[in-house]
Amino acid sequence: DADVTQTPRNRITKTGKRIMLECSQTKGHDRMYWYRQDPGLGLRLIYYSFDVKDINKGEISDGYSVSRQAQAKFSLSLESAIPNQTALYFCATSDTGSGNTIYFGEGSWLTVV
Amino acid sequence: DAKTTQPPSMDCAEGRAANLPCNHSTISGNEYVYWYRQIHSQGPQYIIHGLKNNETNEMASLIITEDRKSSTLILPHATLRDTAVYYCIVRVGNQFYFGTGTSLTVIP
Repeated sequence: DADVTQTPRNRITKTGKRIMLECSQTKGHDRMYWYRQDPGLGLRLIYYSFDVKDINKGEISDGYSVSRQAQAKFSLSLESAIPNQTALYFCATSDTGSGNTIYFGEGSWLTVV
Repeated sequence: DAKTTQPPSMDCAEGRAANLPCNHSTISGNEYVYWYRQIHSQGPQYIIHGLKNNETNEMASLIITEDRKSSTLILPHATLRDTAVYYCIVRVGNQFYFGTGTSLTVIP
């Protein structure tokens, strides 16, 4: 089983709909992240959380919200999806140990039509 | 203001060493350099990281210049399975900055 699990892996939704991407991890890490990747581009940080009570905006947080329901769960919501939010979304976790290495999930493809 | 700069693409012959450069001229003194790779659209995979000293693990070696403004990831004997996009990443504050990476193609 994957250490960082994202659901759904693929979703097509209509403009204006609310969509939630969920992430759970079994690594016991405190820190969790949501990234977005557009075709041919690198990853950009949307939101990150260092513990259950901590939420921080990343580079591109507009149009997104997050919830850290538990140490192991971090969900990303698009309140009213728009076509330019079509992208590949990655959840990631890290610990506060040496180097703070990030571990990524397998990604969630979201298409907004 | 790019945090890291990498060539967009490189080729390497199978069995030869692949040397992937990265410039990170604005890196702070206590910030690590990380390397990840992404195969197709899978989740990025951690390769190696370092602060000042050169590092080696079972996947690769990382050479960091003395002034820490650039580094080189070395895959000592590239295989076809090493074809991927390689990202050089620095952490600024609490955020990891990914550039657009280097697309490495290993040629048979």
